This record gives sequence, C-alpha cells and structure tokens, in this order.
Amino acid sequence: GQQVMQIPQYQHVQEGEDFTTYCNSSTTLSNIQWYKQRPGGHPVFLIQLVKSGEVKKQKRLTFQFGEAKKNSSLHITATQTTDVGTYFCAGRVTTDSWGKLQFGAGTQVVVTP
Amino acid sequence: EAGVTQSPTHLIKTRGQQATLRCSPISGHTSVYWYQQALGLGLQFLLWYDEGEERNRGNFPPRFSGRQFPNYSSELNVNALELEDSALYLCASSLGTGGHNEQFFGPGTRLTVL
Repeated sequence: GQQVMQIPQYQHVQEGEDFTTYCNSSTTLSNIQWYKQRPGGHPVFLIQLVKSGEVKKQKRLTFQFGEAKKNSSLHITATQTTDVGTYFCAGRVTTDSWGKLQFGAGTQVVVTP
Repeated sequence: EAGVTQSPTHLIKTRGQQATLRCSPISGHTSVYWYQQALGLGLQFLLWYDEGEERNRGNFPPRFSGRQFPNYSSELNVNALELEDSALYLCASSLGTGGHNEQFFGPGTRLTVL
C-alpha cells in the first residue's frame, strides 16, 4: 500500500491567505522532495530536504522535515493565483538503496481571487 | 539544454492492443523513471532504469515492461491494453542513481484506450 500520505487532498484558499499541506510516511525516509504540477503540466522539482528537522525557505514557501524523518510540511504564505496547482511530496525509504521515490497523492490547490 | 522529451504526445489504442511509449532523458542523465498518472490521481511508480538495468519496479502487472538503450533513452511497452490503462504516462530522468537526485519530468504521453 501507499506509504506516503498527503493531507489535505484539496485546498481552497483565498488569495492572500496562508495554508499548509502535510506529508506523512509510515517508515523513516532518507530524504523528502517536493514537486509542483500546474494544471495541464508536468511535475517540477521544488526542493529537497535531507536532515532531521531541516527547514528551507523559497520566498513565500517554507518546507520542513520532521525530527523523526517521517513527515514533512509545505507552508505557503500570502497565497497568489500563481500558486495554483498540485503539490506532491516524495520520499525514499531509508533502508532500500535501490528504493523508488514514493510519491504522495498530492494536494490540489485552488486559489480564489 | 533540452529537457526530457517524450513521444508520442497522444496515443489512442483499443483494448487488447499494444502500446509503445518513448522517452529521451536530459543529456548526461543515466536514470530514467516511468510513472502512471490516472486522471485526478497521484503519480504511481512503474519502472526505474539505470545504466541499462531495471533497478526497481512498481506494483504493476508484467504486461507493463520496458527497457533502456545504450544512449539512456527508454521505452515503455504496455501489452494487452485494458480500459483502465488510460492515463498520462510521465517519464523522468536524473543524474546517476543517488537517492538524493531530483527528477526532471517530461511532458508525458496521454494514452487513451477505447
């Protein structure tokens, strides 16, 4: 079954508001990656987190990797219409050197002007 | 620098037929990944090739197969097509096999099975 879960599945946000999407794994991950897929497009890499408790920022986006390396979050402040799309997290299980990158089901973000 | 390319853009087949999808990775990338994205769903991992070898396989039946050529391009074959195989098939490439390499996705092939 799917080891990487994302919540919420859908997120409706008013322009200017903040929101957070969460990624949870049943097993420890060696790293977590975040991708964004615009409607009609393909996933584009945003960032990678590797260290326990790591926090990285990209302008209005803040990414965090949990202390136990089993969860991650993406927080967007002052949402803009350009933030529309589906955000995927993807993690690789620690113990498997040939482990595939497991993608969550994604959080689809809709922004209301 | 050219990105990941996939062909064809769209493919229409009927049940029972076979489909072949192609992917050219970014120059210098040796790993190629295939994903299935059914409408409204996430990315389901299909196959991972590196240096011509299959490194990992997702939970898909054997009628999904593929290969990687010496120039690192890859082919995904789907035999005995079923209606539920209709989806966007995405190919991605990365540098080497390190678990920390970002994946670069192609535009995808939209497969429709009638």
